[in-house]
Amino acid sequence: GAGVSQSPSNKVTEKGKDVELRCDPISGHTALYWYRQSLGQGLEFLIYFQGNSAPDKSGLPSDRFSAERTGGSVSTLTIQRTQQEDSAVYLCASSLVAMNTEAFFGQGTRLTVV
Amino acid sequence: AQSVTQLGSHVSVSEGALVLLRCNYSSSVPPYLFWYVQYPNQGLQLLLKYTTGATLVKGINGFEAEFKKSETSFHLTKPSAHMSDAAEYFCAVSAGPNYGGSQGNLIFGKGTKLSVKP
Repeated sequence: GAGVSQSPSNKVTEKGKDVELRCDPISGHTALYWYRQSLGQGLEFLIYFQGNSAPDKSGLPSDRFSAERTGGSVSTLTIQRTQQEDSAVYLCASSLVAMNTEAFFGQGTRLTVV
Repeated sequence: AQSVTQLGSHVSVSEGALVLLRCNYSSSVPPYLFWYVQYPNQGLQLLLKYTTGATLVKGINGFEAEFKKSETSFHLTKPSAHMSDAAEYFCAVSAGPNYGGSQGNLIFGKGTKLSVKP
């Protein structure tokens, strides 16, 4: 596609439920990133996929968070047993190689846990 | 390890006035530096980046930034603000590709929201 696509754009869920957020990167981009944006907190790195290498999961805040990338393309971020503090905008980005080349961001998924 | 500090969570300027958004970084290796802009309800868009070479970098929409190693700064400027510049601006730092670890781990500042008054 023309850009990074994220779905859904908005998600409201009840505390304790699981959610899945989807990211379609730009075709041909080997690097894919997930960030979390909370009000006044900037962008918090979550996880990074690069080609067939093992992902860098160092930013995941707890074991309730996981992500996978199938076939080197689409990625899904899963949050289990959601908590209110998980409410944020989740941003996905992709780049040709690594983030120190130009990264393209999706418009994000706004997650609200009630 | 890298870190970024953006001074001022909110900056307000008049239309036509100079825009100056401050960014200081900390890096144990020569940094790659970026400014991204986020318009309301949109994703982030790259404004400009410094990797190597010329320390004054020009970006889109008339913005530029200067890498000053001695001051560990990468401030963003625009000579004359326009109403359409109202947005949130993020400074970011990463290690270059010659360094190990998570090459792509781009560390962001907390952002500066720019308001432009008519």
